Amino acid sequence: AQKITQTQPGMFVQEKEAVTLDCTYDTSDPSYGLFWYKQPSSGEMIFLIYQGSYDQQNATEGRYSLNFQKARKSANLVISASQLGDSAMYFCAMSPWDNYGQNFVFGPGTRLSVLP
Amino acid sequence: GAVVSQHPSRVICKSGTSVKIECRSLDFQATTMFWYRQFPKQSLMLMATSNEGSKATYEQGVEKDKFLINHASLTLSTLTVTSAHPEDSSFYICSAGLGSSYEQYFGPGTRLTVT
Repeated sequence: AQKITQTQPGMFVQEKEAVTLDCTYDTSDPSYGLFWYKQPSSGEMIFLIYQGSYDQQNATEGRYSLNFQKARKSANLVISASQLGDSAMYFCAMSPWDNYGQNFVFGPGTRLSVLP
Repeated sequence: GAVVSQHPSRVICKSGTSVKIECRSLDFQATTMFWYRQFPKQSLMLMATSNEGSKATYEQGVEKDKFLINHASLTLSTLTVTSAHPEDSSFYICSAGLGSSYEQYFGPGTRLTVT
């Protein structure tokens, strides 16, 4: 069974500063994908970044980067130069790689608040 | 591309009635769609996997007779909450994958309130 842990229920960061949101996972699947989603108060799930378990390099997407440490089973999200619009819930999720359309397992989420 | 819509976005119904939520993939065909439920301040929990042309697969603890899922076409899956109770009030989100990609696309969600 897969499990995602996000130990930070809430985080605060000053505008323009960087912040790291923690995510650890547990799985017995040999191949898997790790994802981060942002959920603003409107409820929509916004895809941020993806990391494959066999990817050699850490994923980056604009201000988002994923600090992937496979041996530690961690996939922390780093947001650089925080903006007020980054305030939202952030969910880490994983899915087996070899099953297209396989469901996601989500972590409990971290609420990020960006302070002006 | 890869847009998923849900209708309605909000619905209020009386206890004991049924309500149907639609999930549509607007610009791609989805052989598999997923239904999640999210209670306030909690994470998304998978309810069921909806397969086109076959019966849905429900997660443990989800009553299949209460949450009826129909995946009638490659672009439409419906979730019907039957005999709704106040404890069914929640945010229901569907998602669909392209099949050739790892990524899933989420609908905007439906907020159900049972009074």
